[in-house]
Amino acid sequence: GGIITQTPKFLIGQEGQKLTLKCQQNFNHDTMYWYRQDSGKGLRLIYYSITENDLQKGDLSEGYDASREKKSSFSLTVTSAQKNEMAVFLCASSIWGGSYEQYFGPGTRL
Amino acid sequence: GQQVQQSPASLVLQEGENAELQCNFSSTATQLQWFYQRPGGSLVSLLYNPSGTKHTGRLTSTTVTKERRSSLHISSSQITDSGTYFCAMPHTGGADRLTFGKGTQLIIQP
Repeated sequence: GGIITQTPKFLIGQEGQKLTLKCQQNFNHDTMYWYRQDSGKGLRLIYYSITENDLQKGDLSEGYDASREKKSSFSLTVTSAQKNEMAVFLCASSIWGGSYEQYFGPGTRL
Repeated sequence: GQQVQQSPASLVLQEGENAELQCNFSSTATQLQWFYQRPGGSLVSLLYNPSGTKHTGRLTSTTVTKERRSSLHISSSQITDSGTYFCAMPHTGGADRLTFGKGTQLIIQP
C-alpha cells in the first residue's frame, strides 16, 4: 500500500499573500491532482499532472499555480489569497493508463 | 462535458435501515468510483465499479453502463456510516481526470 501526505494541515494567511501547499505520494503513481472543496459542495479540479514536469489546467486554475517537481510530489500555490477565503484543498493520485482509481490525501484547510 | 448527478441530496435514516444512493451520468463511461467523506475528513475510495455488481462488506454497488447509472446500497446502516458519498467518473475531455457528483449527505440516527 501507499500513502499521500499533505503539508501543512492548516494554512492561515493574509489577503494578497502567496501560499504554497505541498503533496507527496509513495504509490509511484504517474498522475497527481489538486482539488478545491468549499463547504457543503463537491470537488472542483484546479490542476493535474500526468507525469513529472507536466501540468494540465482543470476547471478552476485561475488564481493558482502548480508545479510537479518530481514524480512523487506536486505543489500548489494560491497566488493571491482572498479575504475570508476558506476551503479545503485535496491532493490525489492515480495510475496513468487503464485504471483511474484515485487515492486522496488528508487535505489542507485554508 | 460529462455531467454527474447524485440523488438524493441528503438522506436521513434510522440505524439498521438500508440506504440506497443513486448516481446518473450523461455520457457512457467505462469507469466509475464511489467515495466516502466523513465530516471534516478527506475522501476515501469505497468501490471502483466500472460495470456490474461489486460488494465490499455491507456495501454493494451496481453499475449499468448502458443506462448511465450506478447505485450504492448500504445494508444495516450504522451511525458511523454518516457522511457524504460521492460518485465520480472520467471526464469526457480527458480520461485521466474525474468528474464528481455533488454528493449525497447520509445521516444515520440512533
